[in-house]
Amino acid sequence: NAGVTQTPKFQVLKTGQSMTLQCAQDMNHNSMYWYRQDPGMGLRLIYYSASEGTTDKGEVPNGYNVSRLNKREFSLRLESAAPSQTSVYFCASSEVSSGRFGDTQYFGPGTRLTVL
Amino acid sequence: AQKVTQAQTEISVVEKEDVTLDCVYETRDTTYYLFWYKQPPSGELVFLIRRNSFDEQNEISGRYSWNFQKSTSSFNFTITASQVVDSAVYFCALSDLPNAGGTSYGKLTFGQGTILTVHP
Repeated sequence: NAGVTQTPKFQVLKTGQSMTLQCAQDMNHNSMYWYRQDPGMGLRLIYYSASEGTTDKGEVPNGYNVSRLNKREFSLRLESAAPSQTSVYFCASSEVSSGRFGDTQYFGPGTRLTVL
Repeated sequence: AQKVTQAQTEISVVEKEDVTLDCVYETRDTTYYLFWYKQPPSGELVFLIRRNSFDEQNEISGRYSWNFQKSTSSFNFTITASQVVDSAVYFCALSDLPNAGGTSYGKLTFGQGTILTVHP
């Protein structure tokens, strides 16, 4: 099992450019999440998907969109990148499904994004 | 709103010293889960432990131990006889609870992290 995979590992964008970060998991998990990590701020939730076909905003959703393509894949799109979106982005998945909580989240290796 | 505070921004120790990382949380829920993750210099997030609010038993796993005290809303992590390989950023996190509709998504609220450096 590869667990959670993310592509690309590194990316440099110019202000205004768009891009999509890809995430896939092979653990048959129901829920998937996108976080960003900034120095001194821990990880903050951008969007999550509790199940295939559903997505919801997290703590910092502005400037992002997501797509839960199928049970395995959850992508994060920056439509018009800004320097404030320079960060490390982590995708995670967990088994948690409706009516449950507290299952462990497993994280991908991260994508380091720089917006100039 | 849920909140996790890791007051120690950075800790520096010499190998073989014991070190305790503090975590204090706030929640209005009576049922919740707490987690610790390790982020080594390579950058990935590694799951260490999960503890639910019903179980206040301390846990030991090798050189790692965790002290959960509901009365003080703390979930502290101790590394005994630290090693250079323990150098990493350590995050404490608190789970979210189902909403009124009963659906659950388990999103985590993270602390700011503690940078642990173990010197040889």
